[in-house]
Formats: sequence, C-alpha cells, structure tokens
Amino acid sequence: DQQVKQNSPSLSVQEGRISILNCDYTNSMFDYFLWYKKYPAEGPTFLISISSIKDKNEDGRFTVFLNKSAKHLSLHIVPSQPGDSAVYFCAAKKGTQGGSEKLVFGKGTKLTVNP
Amino acid sequence: EPEVTQTPSHQVTQMGQEVILRCVPISNHLYFYWYRQILGQKVEFLVSFYNNEISEKSEIFDDQFSVERPDGSNFTLKIRSTKLEDSAMYFCASRVMSSYNEQFFGPGTRLTVL
Repeated sequence: DQQVKQNSPSLSVQEGRISILNCDYTNSMFDYFLWYKKYPAEGPTFLISISSIKDKNEDGRFTVFLNKSAKHLSLHIVPSQPGDSAVYFCAAKKGTQGGSEKLVFGKGTKLTVNP
Repeated sequence: EPEVTQTPSHQVTQMGQEVILRCVPISNHLYFYWYRQILGQKVEFLVSFYNNEISEKSEIFDDQFSVERPDGSNFTLKIRSTKLEDSAMYFCASRVMSSYNEQFFGPGTRLTVL
C-alpha cells in the first residue's frame, strides 16, 4: 500500500539553510495532510497541517505547500537548526468532516542538520 | 502541556500470551486511536474509538485485537494470543472533537513477542 510516498529516506543540510522534505500521494480522496516529527524512542509529534482547499500554510519556521494537481506536498524548514534533526513523516486523511479517521503515513525522511 | 501517556514502555511476552497495552489520552479529547510501526516499516492505523465504540478499524485489527475504555481516563489495546509478527511499536493517539484533524501521539510501547 503506497498511497503516501516519501521517496527520500534521508536528507542532510547545513544549519541556517533551508530543508525541503517532499511527499507524494496517489489517492485523490485525500483532503487533509499533516507533517509529524519523530525523535528516537518518542512518538510522532504534530508539526503542521494543510487542508486541500489551501495551497500553503505557514507556522513560524515551517511552511507546507500543497500542489493538488501533482498530488505533491512539501515541508520547508527555514532556517534549519540542529534540533530539527529527526525523522519527518507525511500523513494524509480522507474526509475532513465525518470521513475516515485513519491517517495514512509515508515511510519518513530522516533529516540531519549539521552545525 | 498535556500529553498522551502509555505504559509500559517495553513489554516482552511469549508467543500465545495475552497482552494489554495501556494509554491515558489527553483529558478533553474524545477520539482515540491505536497505530503500530513494525521495525523498518510505516506507521499503520489499527483502530479508532469514539463514544465508547469502534468507529473504524483496519484489516490488521482482527479478532485477536480488542480495545476498551474501562474508565474515564484509560484506553487499552488487548492482543489475545500474541504472534511473532505482532512485535512492533504500538502508539496510542487522541484528538479533541473540535480540532480539525490533528492526532496527538503517545511515546509508544515496544512489544517484543518471543
């Protein structure tokens, strides 16, 4: 089941630069998308989300972009900090109101921010 | 800041034994979930629970699995007869009624079936 794909298993960036994490999806019924960050031995921590009625959502250093026609979303982190080093999961959901409760996750991208 | 808690952090059991994984969701949350992550694989949805009943479950959630909210604070996942392939991290999550859709996850329980 590859409905949500994160094709880069890892990404390494320098502190202060931009990190761009990518996610593709195949199910056109998905209408809500979330990014989670996960440190080892911890649960996923919610970062930012976007509804399919928007193409951009920003929260501090984190911005998520959604391209519905390409079924692609990306997470931008600017500027990147060493504390951002973690695994980032993209997740998608069908039916914002009264739809499925299930989050479908990608495999994750391990981000390393070098000082 | 309120958080989802899970106990135990690590559970080791013999194949065929029953295990109960416990979760305390965030206190004003009304939707509860269990997910699991087998080593090296994706986080997978197991079940959602609302208003004291299962609202959705995946194909993984077969008759060996059950969930319960025995009191106002705990949410449990029971595996009746564990198999080797049940070894995984199990995450509990919860969300409020009014939030759009963000689910807040606990730290997980690592289940090892020998």
